[in-house]
Amino acid sequence: GQNIDQPTEMTATEGAIVQINCTYQTSGFNGLFWYQQHAGEAPTFLSYNVLDGLEEKGRFSSFLSRSKGYSYLLLKELQMKDSASYLCAVKDSNYQLIWGAGTKLIIKP
Amino acid sequence: NAGVTQTPKFQVLKTGQSMTLQCAQDMNHEYMSWYRQDPGMGLRLIHYSVGAGITDQGEVPNGYNVSRSTTEDFPLRLLSAAPSQTSVYFCASSQGGEHQPQHFGDGTRLSIL
Repeated sequence: GQNIDQPTEMTATEGAIVQINCTYQTSGFNGLFWYQQHAGEAPTFLSYNVLDGLEEKGRFSSFLSRSKGYSYLLLKELQMKDSASYLCAVKDSNYQLIWGAGTKLIIKP
Repeated sequence: NAGVTQTPKFQVLKTGQSMTLQCAQDMNHEYMSWYRQDPGMGLRLIHYSVGAGITDQGEVPNGYNVSRSTTEDFPLRLLSAAPSQTSVYFCASSQGGEHQPQHFGDGTRLSIL
């Protein structure tokens, strides 16, 4: 079966750095997406990786290793507004998105 | 820019009732999809469409119907509501291309009593 694993919850301090991991086992791979979802709101797109390596976008970076079935989202200079769930999703061989359950990130002052 | 618009935002139904969740997008996106989101689980695909007149089943299609008569609209119909369909429903759209992100509506919070 297809599976996406993420930690359920993480806690970090304002101003610090946090890394959210995602491991996947899917039938084929056509890219990996990270989304942010604030409580009670819709998911919003953060990043896309299809080749190995690091993609940087401001305070957020995303890394992919296809051989290891592994990605992480790195958030720097954490702000209170970064408190949200972070969803990892992989596009499989049928170009359908398989979603992880999400990681709830709690930022403490 | 309206983006993806879902109505209603909240709905309470009794078991056995039917209803339609509306979804419209104004970005001329070909691909549209419906997901349900339940606590502790990832988003699960119910139905999707790659263009007007074309629909297909996702991971959890039972109990739901869809149609795509226009590029803009993609309604989801619950045929006979069951408590197991209590969930948050999201409609999403995207341009063609595997790298294109999905744009989500604000969701419909549905409770079946």
